[in-house]
Amino acid sequence: DQQVKQNSPSLSVQEGRISILNCDYTNSMFDYFLWYKKYPAEGPTFLISISSIKDKNEDGRFTVFLNKSAKHLSLHIVPSQPGDSAVYFCAASRSGYALNFGKGTSLLVTP
Amino acid sequence: DGGITQSPKYLFRKEGQNVTLSCEQNLNHDAMYWYRQDPGQGLRLIYYSQIVNDFQKGDIAEGYSVSREKKESFPLTVTSAQKNPTAFYLCASRVPGREGNQPQHFGDGTRLSIL
Repeated sequence: DQQVKQNSPSLSVQEGRISILNCDYTNSMFDYFLWYKKYPAEGPTFLISISSIKDKNEDGRFTVFLNKSAKHLSLHIVPSQPGDSAVYFCAASRSGYALNFGKGTSLLVTP
Repeated sequence: DGGITQSPKYLFRKEGQNVTLSCEQNLNHDAMYWYRQDPGQGLRLIYYSQIVNDFQKGDIAEGYSVSREKKESFPLTVTSAQKNPTAFYLCASRVPGREGNQPQHFGDGTRLSIL
């Protein structure tokens, strides 16, 4: 059963605007959440993470928000750039063990 | 440069044959992982190893086998028992989480196809 869900398979955003990628999870034991970015035929690249003791983590243009009560997290990219076009995977783990991945959201940033 | 090397990038197998995918890391990470990605799917865990000479089954271990004789190496064998082996295989490693969570670092993957 999918414990991490990314319900939007794709998202298209204009360059310079905000991209918001969403992720829901079902396992309340998850305590660590990550976002990975992936280009075709390459391995995922770690982007940003957040611990369950926080509700926000920011790194440059990327911010991850965590709403534990709703079991929801989101990744905000501001401003979006064409080079951000990729598949973004949300992942979660319990106690630092194996990651559970969502199916990914394909982001297209248009000029 | 430190990193994870997967080889080969593309691999072809005849039905009924076993094939081994290589994964080597020089990051001095204790934990290593194998994932499988299918089109439109997320990454699914096949096997993982927290330390040398120890490994655990993941969610889809049937038809696969691994070994962890050295810290830097975690080869994955796709056996003939795996009925649908065509996929993109990703290897990852990380520092175990005792001192806080650390992200997994991934190799560039091996695409396995059946002839």
